[in-house]
Amino acid sequence: DTAVSQTPKYLVTQMGNDKSIKCEQNLGHDTMYWYKQDSKKFLKIMFSYNNKELIINETVPNRFSPKSPDKAHLNLHINSLELGDSAVYFCASSPAGSSYEQYFGPGTRLTVT
Amino acid sequence: GNSVTQMEGPVTLSEEAFLTINCTYTATGYPSLFWYVQYPGEGLQLLLKATKADDKGSNKGFEATYRKETTSFHLEKGSVQVSDSAVYFCALGFGSGANSKLTFGKGITLSVRP
Repeated sequence: DTAVSQTPKYLVTQMGNDKSIKCEQNLGHDTMYWYKQDSKKFLKIMFSYNNKELIINETVPNRFSPKSPDKAHLNLHINSLELGDSAVYFCASSPAGSSYEQYFGPGTRLTVT
Repeated sequence: GNSVTQMEGPVTLSEEAFLTINCTYTATGYPSLFWYVQYPGEGLQLLLKATKADDKGSNKGFEATYRKETTSFHLEKGSVQVSDSAVYFCALGFGSGANSKLTFGKGITLSVRP
């Protein structure tokens, strides 16, 4: 059983396009996150949601818009893609009262050409 | 601000060698400390944690001790296996409740040769 799943696994697109990445967790967790991992493996938080409410927004360009339709889903929509957006995007979730123990999805490798 | 510094990699070892991966941190207050591991093609997994000074976290033969005096949380394993090949991330956690946040180090790639 997949705990945190993301789709798609790979995404290749051209500059200027708009794309979405979806994330679902079946762990019953309250909090979900988006992280960006660059080519040097550096991992940085972008957003967190708790029970569908935005909690953390780490100075991410407003071309990135997260949406949480329910607490099991957190999607990431990116407008006007740029070359610098190329990275691996990870979704994660954590249970109530244990926000540091995060469960990560397998990642979505986004390549902007 | 809060930050985590890991030693530069990559690291290549022979099977059964001793492993040390250095991690130091800068933080206001008293963070919790973590090691996460990322196996090839997968997301990160929590490997071990320590929530206060002098705590030792351990899992799968790996250990790390929270050293407040040296602001360090070095990861060690006495005898590595090929299956330990992965990227290792040191992280610190701060904040409370839903505002809790993990700050990761840059990650270090470990390759273990048979």
